[in-house]
Amino acid sequence: KAGVTQTPRYLIKTRGQQVTLSCSPISGHRSVSWYQQTPGQGLQFLFEYFSETQRNKGNFPGRFSGRQFSNSRSEMNVSTLELGDSALYLCASNDPGIAGNSPLHFGNGTRLTVT
Amino acid sequence: AQSVTQPDIHITVSEGASLELRCNYSYGATPYLFWYVQSPGQGLQLLLKYFSGDTLVQGIKGFEAEFKRSQSSFNLRKPSVHWSDAAEYFCAVGASSGGSYIPTFGRGTSLIVHP
Repeated sequence: KAGVTQTPRYLIKTRGQQVTLSCSPISGHRSVSWYQQTPGQGLQFLFEYFSETQRNKGNFPGRFSGRQFSNSRSEMNVSTLELGDSALYLCASNDPGIAGNSPLHFGNGTRLTVT
Repeated sequence: AQSVTQPDIHITVSEGASLELRCNYSYGATPYLFWYVQSPGQGLQLLLKYFSGDTLVQGIKGFEAEFKRSQSSFNLRKPSVHWSDAAEYFCAVGASSGGSYIPTFGRGTSLIVHP
């Protein structure tokens, strides 16, 4: 099976702009989660989507949003970019199943730089 | 809320030496525990997981971890380190939320391997 695919790998944006990141999960995985990784804060959970519905949300401002399509592909959007949004954004997928505890499979991330 | 502490930010070992990376967690119920590894420019790869049963779990690449409930620990070990093991290692605890689980990650331990 193909792994989790994130596009693009690198992005450079200017403060105030908006950006959209894309994630294609492993085939058959219905849950997609997004994480922000920075040297200062580590890995922080943004949100999780399951069957096109946001099921869990982390503690991020409303500028961060996402959605999931019927084929489980997901996008996240960051509006009004700030310098502090510079980070590696990781997408992960899994198929929660009955117990909901299947491990996450991560993509290689999108490196966002805000100037 | 759950939390994970990885006390060691950096660990340096010589190739061929044994390795132990520490992880302490805080969670009120039976935890789901994970170790992930991240190579530079890559996403996170699952090394091993603990859900229940045998407290000594085997993972990929020769890694193992032992769950000790009394110490709230889930330390990662490897008997003989290879230069290719140099990477960032993350411990995570998963908590059930809305039908799935949301893992909380530690801040990571950077492993440096000397020849």
